[in-house]
Amino acid sequence: ELKVEQNPLFLSMQEGKNYTIYCNYSTTSDRLYWYRQDPGKSLESLFVLLSNGAVKQEGRLMASLDTKARLSTLHITAAVHDLSATYFCAVDPSGTYKYIFGTGTRLKVLA
Amino acid sequence: DTGVSQDPRHKITKRGQNVTFRCDPISEHNRLYWYRQTLGQGPEFLTYFQNEAQLEKSRLLSDRFSAERPKGSFSTLEIQRTEQGDSAMYLCASTLVTGGYEQYFGPGTRLTVT
Repeated sequence: ELKVEQNPLFLSMQEGKNYTIYCNYSTTSDRLYWYRQDPGKSLESLFVLLSNGAVKQEGRLMASLDTKARLSTLHITAAVHDLSATYFCAVDPSGTYKYIFGTGTRLKVLA
Repeated sequence: DTGVSQDPRHKITKRGQNVTFRCDPISEHNRLYWYRQTLGQGPEFLTYFQNEAQLEKSRLLSDRFSAERPKGSFSTLEIQRTEQGDSAMYLCASTLVTGGYEQYFGPGTRLTVT
């Protein structure tokens, strides 16, 4: 069974702190995506990682992909309250074009 | 380019009724996806189209669900004989079959079955 697991599921952190969200997947995939979802809203694309070793950064968020370990990380630097949201990773198992989403990490940044 | 749109945004229906949702993708996108999302979970794949062809359908999808994409433009998702377990957010996404296959999501249709 294809699985995409994120940890932690819940994360409460203080403003200014750093933290990393992990996304592990059980299938071969060269493409991994990170999305943000605010309560009651749809999903917003954050990063598209297309190859092993890919690293992308936008503001306080940085994502990386290790296809050999089947692991992606989303690193948060000096968190601010506006980053509070649920973050999902998703993989596209090779050749299927069926995106499998992770369980989500609910992030709360405390002022 | 106005993004992916969905209609209606909210739908309340009684158990046993049929409902239909519409999705208008980004105009140049040739691939369109439907997902279902329940509270506290990630989106769950339902089906996808490339142009007008339905290429994949989740085995979790019962026969009460059907989707169409006539002429490869907008798509509809119909649920027949709704059940309370169908209550969820139904999300549509579109993408180009080139490049990174990045998906752009619509605002979703929230279905409540009473």
